[in-house]
Amino acid sequence: AQSVTQLGSHVSVSEGALVLLRCNYSSSVPPYLFWYVQYPNQGLQLLLKYTSAATLVKGINGFEAEFKKSETSFHLTKPSAHMSDAAEYFCAVTRSGGYNKLIFGAGTRLAVHP
Amino acid sequence: DVKVTQSSRYLVKRTGEKVFLECVQDMDHENMFWYRQDPGLGLRLIYFSYDVKMKEKGDIPEGYSVSREKKERFSLILESASTNQTSMYLCASTPGRAGANTGELFFGEGSRLTVL
Repeated sequence: AQSVTQLGSHVSVSEGALVLLRCNYSSSVPPYLFWYVQYPNQGLQLLLKYTSAATLVKGINGFEAEFKKSETSFHLTKPSAHMSDAAEYFCAVTRSGGYNKLIFGAGTRLAVHP
Repeated sequence: DVKVTQSSRYLVKRTGEKVFLECVQDMDHENMFWYRQDPGLGLRLIYFSYDVKMKEKGDIPEGYSVSREKKERFSLILESASTNQTSMYLCASTPGRAGANTGELFFGEGSRLTVL
């Protein structure tokens, strides 16, 4: 069965520092992987996705993620954090037999301090 | 722009009440979803609909039902609300047609339900 593990429920960084949010997955089929962001009092919106093309995926707002099959990881990074990046981030994987039905991780809340 | 609208952002209900959460999308999407979001648990799928009047149970369907009478509208029903159903509920949609579906879900802003 597919599953997603996000390491660290809370991450805090200084403005301008590197952002690294970790995601590991398990999947019995080639996965599609996603990162979503949720700003306070809003729904989720897509940051980026991996769908078996390039392993380094660039998304919106300067975020990127690298698919590493050998490590079953899809970590999210941004070179320089902005205050506006403070939000909750969710990693998700497609489940077998259900291309549309995603399995979400527990989420990582990112705090950015001056 | 893609738009998924949930009718109520905040609701307060009493134990035992019947609760309706409404979701409308304007993108002509075939697939619609109801998720529940709780701290530390992420999003869990309650029900999924891939066509009018068609539905599938998700991971946590107990205590919930759904209705999809029109393509654009997907309702979540709590027949008899309980305190453990206090949560954030998120509706999402996505195209079902081959080639149109990139796997991305389009979410509404959520409905925060409190059951007293």
